Amino acid sequence: AQTVTQSQPEMSVQEAETVTLSCTYDTSESNYYLFWYKQPPSRQMILVIRQEAYKQQNATENRFSVNFQKAAKSFSLKISDSQLGDTAMYFCAFMSTNTGNQFYFGTGTSLTVIP
Amino acid sequence: GAVVSQHPSWVICKSGTSVKIECRSLDFQATTMFWYRQFPKQSLMLMATSNEGSKATYEQGVEKDKFLINHASLTLSTLTVTSAHPEDSSFYICSAKILQREQYFGPGTRLTVT
Repeated sequence: AQTVTQSQPEMSVQEAETVTLSCTYDTSESNYYLFWYKQPPSRQMILVIRQEAYKQQNATENRFSVNFQKAAKSFSLKISDSQLGDTAMYFCAFMSTNTGNQFYFGTGTSLTVIP
Repeated sequence: GAVVSQHPSWVICKSGTSVKIECRSLDFQATTMFWYRQFPKQSLMLMATSNEGSKATYEQGVEKDKFLINHASLTLSTLTVTSAHPEDSSFYICSAKILQREQYFGPGTRLTVT
């Protein structure tokens, strides 16, 4: 079975600074997808960034980038120039391409951006 | 694109009654829909996976007779909580997927059973 671990239950960052959220996972599969989702107080799940396991290049979306280390099974999210609107729960998710594309979520990291 | 809606956004019902939650993919046809439950400050817990025209696959520990899932079309899935009790109060989220792509999430439904 796949497991996803987020070891930082809560984090805070000063506005305009950079913060990195950690995520590790365990799988025996070679082909899979990894995601970071954001859940603001509205509770709407919003896709932040996606990484295909077969791609060596780290994904980037504007201020958001990942550090994908496949051998170490690590998938951290870096948020640059943090904004107040980044305050949210962040969930790391693993998607298997074998088991019906089911998602496996981490326990989440609550990020607070301090003005 | 890839918008998923849920209705209602918030429902209050009396203990013993049933409540239906709808999940619709508005601008795409979803091959698979998922139903999650989320308790405050916790992660999403997968309840069931449904494919159009076939029976839903429930996760271990989820009562299929209590949480009825119907996936009648490629754009609509419904979750019916039967004989609801206060312990069923929670936040329910659906998501829809196109083939081997990410899941698109609905805004969620807050269920309160009194």
